[in-house]
Amino acid sequence: KNQVEQSPQSLIILEGKNCTLQCNYTVSPFSNLRWYKQDTGRGPVSLTIMTFSENTKSNGRYTATLDADTKQSSLHITASQLSDSASYICVVSANNQGGKLIFGQGTELSVKP
Amino acid sequence: DADVTQTPRNRITKTGKRIMLECSQTKGHDRMYWYRQDPGLGLRLIYYSFDVKDINKGEISDGYSVSRQAQAKFSLSLESAIPNQTALYFCATSESRDSNTGELFFGEGSRLTVL
Repeated sequence: KNQVEQSPQSLIILEGKNCTLQCNYTVSPFSNLRWYKQDTGRGPVSLTIMTFSENTKSNGRYTATLDADTKQSSLHITASQLSDSASYICVVSANNQGGKLIFGQGTELSVKP
Repeated sequence: DADVTQTPRNRITKTGKRIMLECSQTKGHDRMYWYRQDPGLGLRLIYYSFDVKDINKGEISDGYSVSRQAQAKFSLSLESAIPNQTALYFCATSESRDSNTGELFFGEGSRLTVL
């Protein structure tokens, strides 16, 4: 069964600190992996999209890594800011089923001053 | 103005009522989607449309129907709302027919409460 599991479920860090969010998937055949940021009461916004051949991708203070062999991805946030408080969603696309997207349940990040 | 606009943003209704959620986009994308988000669960696909003449069921289409009135408009209907349809609903668009690479652009969401 195609699944995307994220950990931790929630995380509280102090402003200025770094953190890493994890995503494990069992989707096969794999096409790409995406990270989205969802602010409270808003729609998700894309941070990165990585294909099979990419193992790291950055977007400002956000860096995503992908290990297609172990089927794991991480999202590293550097020098966190209060505005980073949000839910971070990992999404994996299957290369069959018309590119079906499988969504993780999200990690709720809270950055405290 | 937002590229993907959903109306209403919030709605409270009673069991058995008919509800329509509307979505319009100015991005010129062919593909449009309706998702449902529940606490602790990932987004789940209700319906999607490749173009005006193409409508497809997603993983949880029971109890819902859609209409693609134009390239820019995609509406979701609940013919007879029930309490377990209480959720946050998102419309999304993508540019590419190949959703393997097409980025999704989401609306701001419509929060529906069915009493």
